Amino acid sequence: EVVLTQSPGTLFLSPGERATLSCRASQRINNNYLAWYQHKPGQAPRLLFYDASKRAAGIPDRFSGSGSGTEFTLTIDRLEPEDFALYYCQQYGRSPRTFGQGTKVDVK
Amino acid sequence: QVQLQESGPGLVKPSQSLSLTCSVSGVSISSSAYQWSWIRQDPGKGLEWIGNIYYTGTTYYNPSLGGRVTLSLDTSKNQFSLRLTSVTAADTAVYFCARDSRLFNAWFDSWGEGTLVTVSS
Repeated sequence: EVVLTQSPGTLFLSPGERATLSCRASQRINNNYLAWYQHKPGQAPRLLFYDASKRAAGIPDRFSGSGSGTEFTLTIDRLEPEDFALYYCQQYGRSPRTFGQGTKVDVK
Repeated sequence: QVQLQESGPGLVKPSQSLSLTCSVSGVSISSSAYQWSWIRQDPGKGLEWIGNIYYTGTTYYNPSLGGRVTLSLDTSKNQFSLRLTSVTAADTAVYFCARDSRLFNAWFDSWGEGTLVTVSS
């Protein structure tokens, strides 16, 4: 199966700063079939991006997704208080679909 | 607006079966456009896709569960369900139901809030 490795495990930042989250795949992900989700405790995970860079409905443009092949990045410009959360990447190019272990964006 | 809500026992004894139901509103699970998935979150291992089901009853399971999983659906109630047999402490997790965005090579575009299931005697 495709193993996704996210880094760093935790990112300590202040509101207004930029967050850069990495997701590395053990195999090339065809068609850039990679999604990003935001998850806050007790809430439903929220889709941010699909196909690596296509923003889901209602996602602010301070969020951006990029990358291809085996290296993907989620960037959050000018962190807002509500952006402090756990972020997961997920590939859907090969079965079984797999997730990264997550990056927590925490307040410095 | 699509909404999903998991329900079921929060505590299951080792070697017994875990059964959860996902109630869906805002869309019919009989739609030919979507499949319906279960995903779990183990604090130590992150998120794991368990399997999915189509309105025809066709299912796909993650091989990692070793054949212990059965998904089913009840279109009259707009619900789908998960049954996991022979549970151990390793099955303790938050279980989510979600909608596949399309039939193949799908991301998950709607999720429930999840329900914690603890396996303990």
